[in-house]
Amino acid sequence: EVQLVESGGGLVKPGGSLRLSCAASGFTFGDVWMSWVRQGPGKGLEWVGRIKRKIDGVTTDYAAPVKARFIISRDDSKNTLYLQMNSLKIEDTAVYYCTTDSALDYFDNWGQGALVTVSS
Amino acid sequence: DIQMTQSPSSLSASVGDRVTITCRASQNILTYLNWYQQRPGKAPKLLIYTASTLESGVPSRFSGSGSGTDFTLTISSLQPEDFATYYCQQSYSSQQLTFGGGTKLEIK
Repeated sequence: EVQLVESGGGLVKPGGSLRLSCAASGFTFGDVWMSWVRQGPGKGLEWVGRIKRKIDGVTTDYAAPVKARFIISRDDSKNTLYLQMNSLKIEDTAVYYCTTDSALDYFDNWGQGALVTVSS
Repeated sequence: DIQMTQSPSSLSASVGDRVTITCRASQNILTYLNWYQQRPGKAPKLLIYTASTLESGVPSRFSGSGSGTDFTLTISSLQPEDFATYYCQQSYSSQQLTFGGGTKLEIK
């Protein structure tokens, strides 16, 4: 059974940093693209960014609102995905979901989400 | 960016009803269109990918159709567990993936 478990969420001040982790199990992590998707309070879904697998160059893409502030990385030896969030803004407040990302860029497995609150 | 517009934004229906939700893309996305269901307090769940392919384990009362800019999600006979919010998502522009605003399906 595929499991994705996010951790590292919490309260952070504007301008601060936070790192989320996503522990994966039940599949061969290194074979899979991974994405982060977020959902602001009472809002819809917003794709944050994606990291491809090693054989595809471990390349990353980011949504415009987070580009240059967020960094996605992966450690295939630990079956773990990361989201480093820097220069956080109030509008980054959201539940952040870790997802598997098929090569056709649909999200077929989701974690339970990690809440990030940016507030002074 | 490709904009995705869903209609209606909310919908009231009864158990047993046939329901259709529409998603329109701001440009041609061929069949790179996916649908998700999100129940309150839960993570989204993939229902349909590439416009019409049913994800494994999803009941056959769900179906998707369309190509180009206009797509539909149909639920043939609503069940109590189908009352949720539904999102479309385009995967044509792989460097800028975008979702529709969502359609909240409520019990009449």
